[in-house]
Amino acid sequence: DAGITQSPRHKVTETGTPVTLRCHQTENHRYMYWYRQDPGHGLRLIHYSYGVKDTDKGEVSDGYSVSRSKTEDFLLTLESATSSQTSVYFCATLTEYSGNTIYFGEGSWLTVV
Amino acid sequence: AQSVTQLGSHVSVSEGALVLLRCNYSSSVPPYLFWYVQYPNQGLQLLLKYTTGATLVKGINGFEAEFKKSETSFHLTKPSAHMSDAAEYFCAVSGSGGYQKVTFGTGTKLQVIP
Repeated sequence: DAGITQSPRHKVTETGTPVTLRCHQTENHRYMYWYRQDPGHGLRLIHYSYGVKDTDKGEVSDGYSVSRSKTEDFLLTLESATSSQTSVYFCATLTEYSGNTIYFGEGSWLTVV
Repeated sequence: AQSVTQLGSHVSVSEGALVLLRCNYSSSVPPYLFWYVQYPNQGLQLLLKYTTGATLVKGINGFEAEFKKSETSFHLTKPSAHMSDAAEYFCAVSGSGGYQKVTFGTGTKLQVIP
């Protein structure tokens, strides 16, 4: 258990509105990730962070931005939500000890109508 | 580049039968390999992992996996399926591009038939 908390856990929003998902970790891990999960696609990396203010794009970053102003918090923002961004979003952190293992939060279910 | 292929998006087994979930990977460097399990409406939970050393890895809930370099495989097995094993299972690999970059397969849903 990597002490990862995601909020909100469920959200319904309208097309064109901005949405921010928050990830909070208590383990002081350097690496944090945002994935989205969709049927048939598994988990796809949106953005990741390797330190405060240090972020990089993943394979499906279009339409998303991230920020990390503190080690423990990693925010994912949908600037203008679209229906194609309806998904389950998972935050994860990586422990660099004992095999660089990723641990996941419980997920945030986002529906864009 | 690295990738993971999970053969079979759905697998059905009878309760008490052998569970075999297949995973093949590609990696340009020695890989780290992982299996995760996801129960409905939950996050992913680590089942087991291979980094270095012994190629047969034991995990939680009676699962194990064997790293076979020559076959680029990391198949997940359990001798006897239980109803509680019904879930979705994801294989993952890291290594190419750094061990902090983890690539996941598309998942295999395991159904256990009473």
